[in-house]
Amino acid sequence: AQRVTQPEKLLSVFKGAPVELKCNYSYSGSPELFWYVQYSRQRLQLLLRHISRESIKGFTADLNKGETSFHLKKPFAQEEDSAMYYCALSPVSGGYNKLIFGAGTRLAVHP
Amino acid sequence: EPEVTQTPSHQVTQMGQEVILRCVPISNHLYFYWYRQILGQKVEFLVSFYNNEISEKSEIFDDQFSVERPDGSNFTLKIRSTKLEDSAMYFCAIGTGSSPLHFGNGTRLTVT
Repeated sequence: AQRVTQPEKLLSVFKGAPVELKCNYSYSGSPELFWYVQYSRQRLQLLLRHISRESIKGFTADLNKGETSFHLKKPFAQEEDSAMYYCALSPVSGGYNKLIFGAGTRLAVHP
Repeated sequence: EPEVTQTPSHQVTQMGQEVILRCVPISNHLYFYWYRQILGQKVEFLVSFYNNEISEKSEIFDDQFSVERPDGSNFTLKIRSTKLEDSAMYFCAIGTGSSPLHFGNGTRLTVT
């Protein structure tokens, strides 16, 4: 079964602290993994995709196929990072990229 | 980032009424999707649409739901007879098939 698990509903940290938002997935093939962010009252925005291997707003995520994980990390959290973060999986298929989302983790960064 | 406009931003309707949610992608993307998010729950895939037909749908997308792109621009989701449990945020998304999805701001549907 295709599934994305984000075990933490809420992650609360202080400004400047390191952040790790956990994501584990279940899929028999080789999926594409994404992180989407949703700031208050705004649309879902793509933050990262695993194949691009880039760092956006200081966030990075490494795909670990052995552990089937795609944790999102940032060494020093900022208050403006406060948002909902969704890990998502796209089965590699012929032409479409339906996304399967995790339940999301709310990151709260306190001053 | 491609612009995806959804209207209305908030729709209140009575149970049993029909609603039409609209998505206007300002781009030449070929793949269209509807997702929904019930309050406090995860974002769920409803349907994907390509080349003027449904390419995949979830078990949520039953006979009460339909999608179309009648004029080659607007992409609509119709719920024929709304139920209380249809209350949710509905997100339209667009894609090219080989690139990440871009989402609209969503329509909040409240069924009373």
